[in-house]
Amino acid sequence: KQEVTQIPAALSVPEGENLVLNCSFTDSAIYNLQWFRQDPGKGLTSLLLIQSSQREQTSGRLNASLDKSSGRSTLYIAASQPGDSATYLCAVGGGGSNYKLTFGKGTLLTVNP
Amino acid sequence: DADVTQTPRNRITKTGKRIMLECSQTKGHDRMYWYRQDPGLGLQLIYYSFDVKDINKGEISDGYSVSRQAQAKFSLSLESAIPNQTALYFCATSDSARTPRQFFGPGTRLTVL
Repeated sequence: KQEVTQIPAALSVPEGENLVLNCSFTDSAIYNLQWFRQDPGKGLTSLLLIQSSQREQTSGRLNASLDKSSGRSTLYIAASQPGDSATYLCAVGGGGSNYKLTFGKGTLLTVNP
Repeated sequence: DADVTQTPRNRITKTGKRIMLECSQTKGHDRMYWYRQDPGLGLQLIYYSFDVKDINKGEISDGYSVSRQAQAKFSLSLESAIPNQTALYFCATSDSARTPRQFFGPGTRLTVL
């Protein structure tokens, strides 16, 4: 059974700092990996999707990497801002199909002004 | 306007009551999903539907049923609510023809007393 772990569970940084969120998964037979942002009362927002054949994806100040063989992904946030404060969720698409997501518990990020 | 909407946003009910949570989407996506999120846990898949005539159980379907009334509408029912079904419920959609990226609604907070 796929298990997804996110470290750290919580992170507090000063504004402007570059930071890395980590995600690891136990079964490397995945179709894709997705990063989401969750804000209170607003549900989940899809940030980045990396297909299993890709190594990384970038969107603005966000860069996500994928190393399937080692079962790891990182989300890099450059020049963090208070508006980046949220819970970041990693989800792995696998289990024989690309739609079946297994989620980690998330990293709660606080960016202090 | 939101692409994926959920009603109600908050609901308090009593043990044994039947309740329905509704999801509508204007994205034109064929696939729809219901998840639940418990505090400190990752999201878990309850049911998913590839189209109106294709509905499948997820990881935790016991105690739940669904109805796909149209491509744009997917409802989740709790036939006889119990306190451990207290959770945050999310609906999501994806387009099988384009990307496995999933798009989430704002969530319904359900409390069963």
